[in-house]
Amino acid sequence: KAGVTQTPRYLIKTRGQQVTLSCSPISGHRSVSWYQQTPGQGLQFLFEYFSETQRNKGNFPGRFSGRQFSNSRSEMNVSTLELGDSALYLCASSRGGQVHSSTDTQYFGPGTRLTVL
Amino acid sequence: DQQVKQNSPSLSVQEGRISILNCDYTNSMFDYFLWYKKYPAEGPTFLISISSIKDKNEDGRFTVFLNKSAKHLSLHIVPSQPGDSAVYFCAASGQDQGAQKLVFGQGTRLTINP
Repeated sequence: KAGVTQTPRYLIKTRGQQVTLSCSPISGHRSVSWYQQTPGQGLQFLFEYFSETQRNKGNFPGRFSGRQFSNSRSEMNVSTLELGDSALYLCASSRGGQVHSSTDTQYFGPGTRLTVL
Repeated sequence: DQQVKQNSPSLSVQEGRISILNCDYTNSMFDYFLWYKKYPAEGPTFLISISSIKDKNEDGRFTVFLNKSAKHLSLHIVPSQPGDSAVYFCAASGQDQGAQKLVFGQGTRLTINP
């Protein structure tokens, strides 16, 4: 069974640009969550999508947005990039029960390393 | 406001000995706790979890202990093996104002020395 895939793996952008990252969940998984990992902050939850709807949201500004398609694939968009957006962006998929619960383990992709110059 | 803290950024342990990784949390609404392991260039992988109704959960060489009164959990690995060298993240989950929240610590880099 294929794992969670993320594209691209590496990306370099300049300040002010926008970027779109893609995540394909494990087959049969309907929930996709996005996280930002930075050295100082660890992993921070961005948002979670289930059945094409945003179900949970972290404390990130509106420049960070996402969507989910009918095949459960998800995209994350960051507009007006800032230097501080440089990070590893991870997506995780799960079957879609109560997310983050004992019945719904998340499986992570390898991440997209975004560098903003 | 760091609700989940791993105060040791790194830990070095001799092969065969016990590794103990610690995690503290501040929010009483957390009721489910997880440990993830991360190798370089890979995403985190789920290792072990514990519900707040328990104080211990064991899976092979890995045991997680939860002390609710102290808001503290720990991961014990015994015996430690070289393949255990990785970054370990603890995470806490719970309902907060109608949303299910998952908060990670900053991670601890574990190095197992032969």
